[in-house]
Amino acid sequence: DAGVIQSPRHEVTEMGQEVTLRCKPISGHNSLFWYRQTMMRGLELLIYFNNNVPIDDSGMPEDRFSAKMPNASFSTLKIQPSEPRDSAVYFCASSLTGGGNTEAFFGQGTRLTVV
Amino acid sequence: TQLLEQSPQFLSIQEGENLTVYCNSSSVFSSLQWYRQEPGEGPVLLVTVVTGGEVKKLKRLTFQFGDARKDSSLHITAAQPGDTGLYLCAGVANSGYALNFGKGTSLLVTP
Repeated sequence: DAGVIQSPRHEVTEMGQEVTLRCKPISGHNSLFWYRQTMMRGLELLIYFNNNVPIDDSGMPEDRFSAKMPNASFSTLKIQPSEPRDSAVYFCASSLTGGGNTEAFFGQGTRLTVV
Repeated sequence: TQLLEQSPQFLSIQEGENLTVYCNSSSVFSSLQWYRQEPGEGPVLLVTVVTGGEVKKLKRLTFQFGDARKDSSLHITAAQPGDTGLYLCAGVANSGYALNFGKGTSLLVTP
């Protein structure tokens, strides 16, 4: 099992540029989550999908952030335009929810630096 | 607003010592999970507690869920350098599946 795959692992971009983060969840999982981790705020939930449908996007900080899940095996998180305060590690996680199960499997994260 | 408060934020101890970290909330959770995160990696699940008052053991780690399902603790006996990492608690509110995480306790165990 390859686990949750995120790309790129590291991204350095200039302020104002568009950034796209990618995630391939574990096959068969029906829920996908995007988190952002910083020292100050810890691990924050940005958005989560269930069966490819966005269920809760209340954690998305601004309109500059958008997420899509066009099919069960792929999701993107886009920031346009990027700002230095967006610098963080972004994690994607997937889960097979239902029947009381909530274990989330995380990818290795994308470390984003906006200069 | 942080739904789950973890304490202490940082802990540095010597090998062989015991320690307890705490996870508290004013909200009731249908389940609570503990994850461990190493540098450069995503969090990995250690345990899930579901029933109020439940105690689970994982080798030298003991997890307890509060009777009211609002808090939890993690006790490590005879800590080892391999226990070093960030310990995160995460809860699912009574509705939904999304995990809300505390900020974590960063543990350093020195030989």
